[in-house]
Amino acid sequence: GAGVSQSPRYKVAKRGQDVALRCDPISGHVSLFWYQQALGQGPEFLTYFQNEAQLDKSGLPSDRFFAERPEGSVSTLKIQRTQQEDSAVYLCASSSTSGKGYTFGSGTRLTVV
Amino acid sequence: SQQGEEDPQALSIQEGENATMNCSYKTSINNLQWYRQNSGRGLVHLILIRSNEREKHSGRLRVTLDTSKKSSSLLITASRAADTASYFCATDARGNTPLVFGKGTRLSVIA
Repeated sequence: GAGVSQSPRYKVAKRGQDVALRCDPISGHVSLFWYQQALGQGPEFLTYFQNEAQLDKSGLPSDRFFAERPEGSVSTLKIQRTQQEDSAVYLCASSSTSGKGYTFGSGTRLTVV
Repeated sequence: SQQGEEDPQALSIQEGENATMNCSYKTSINNLQWYRQNSGRGLVHLILIRSNEREKHSGRLRVTLDTSKKSSSLLITASRAADTASYFCATDARGNTPLVFGKGTRLSVIA
């Protein structure tokens, strides 16, 4: 596609519910990144894929967070047993190669109530 | 954790004035990038400067990099109301590592 597409745009989850956030990167982009952005803050790194390989997941805040990219294209970020502190905007970005600028999606705003 | 620190946190100027934002970082970098984020939207890549470059221009944007001081500045000349946004610097450490973002500068351009 022309850009990075994320869905849903907004998600309201009850505390304890599982959620799945989808990212469809630019076709052919090898690298895919997930970031979490709290209100008024900069994006915080969560995890990174190169093709289908998850090369770095050091930013995932707990074992309730899980990401996958099974075919090296679409990626899903799953959060189990959501907590209020998980409320944030989740941003996905893709890049053709390392050392290049990222193209970001519009994000998914998650609100846990 | 966030490596970059933008300064100031917020900046308000009149249309037509120049806006300067600064970024400091902590570790050695491969390159430094600037992004813009409009309210409620994703980030848009503005400009990338490599560690062996000192200055780069793109339209009304001018970026400088001083690796000895671990700092960068973004200058927007002849600002417009449409430049109102948050601006973030992000660094790419040596090797194949993800970008690390600062906390951003909120720029308001008043018409």
